Amino acid sequence: EVQLVESGGGLVEPGGSLTLSCEASGFTFREYEMNWVRQAPGKGLEWVSHIGYSGTTRYYADSFEGRFTVSRDNAKNSVYLQMNSLSVDDTAVYYCARKVVTYWYFDLWGRGTLVTVSS
Amino acid sequence: DIVMTQSPDSLAVSLGERATISCKSSQNVFYSSNNKNYLAWYQQKPGQPPQLLIYWASTRESGVPDRFSGSGSGTDFALTISSLQAEDVGVYYCQQYYSIPNTFGQGTQLEIK
Repeated sequence: EVQLVESGGGLVEPGGSLTLSCEASGFTFREYEMNWVRQAPGKGLEWVSHIGYSGTTRYYADSFEGRFTVSRDNAKNSVYLQMNSLSVDDTAVYYCARKVVTYWYFDLWGRGTLVTVSS
Repeated sequence: DIVMTQSPDSLAVSLGERATISCKSSQNVFYSSNNKNYLAWYQQKPGQPPQLLIYWASTRESGVPDRFSGSGSGTDFALTISSLQAEDVGVYYCQQYYSIPNTFGQGTQLEIK
């Protein structure tokens, strides 16, 4: 089955760090660029970051540049999001999403993992 | 950044009736070199992740029922459901992928009247 499964979410205190994982299956992972998109409770979708096929190319939305780091391990069919200096505003469901070849829309999404930042 | 604005924020339509959601971009998302509008639509059912419905403004993703259609060009777009079914309840988002950062509309909540 073609799917993405996120993990690593949970409760973290303000100022803390967390690393999310997303494991892909059912397709040739190394042939796709991957993204993270988040959704705060009751809110809309917000693009977070992008990583290219080999991991060399990385982009971030301005709000996350310098705090978040995206990486991938093609041998493990996985992409990661390391999040530092977390604030309550980072509370959200974080989705892993597969980008179609060449263009920036997303044809496969995981079910997401909830990150709650609270003291 | 390109700002995407959807209207209305919420919409209630009777079963079997037509539903139309509008999406406007703050900048043109039509690329003349390939004659394509860089606009996608997603559906998010309650408790589920978003699902791609339409890309290139009017191309349905594989498996999407033909009651869903997309239209528009440049800065003004629409998603139409020709005959609303109960399973269409959810939130619909437009997204521009013309430039980075790709950006989403705020979403339109679709309900049954």
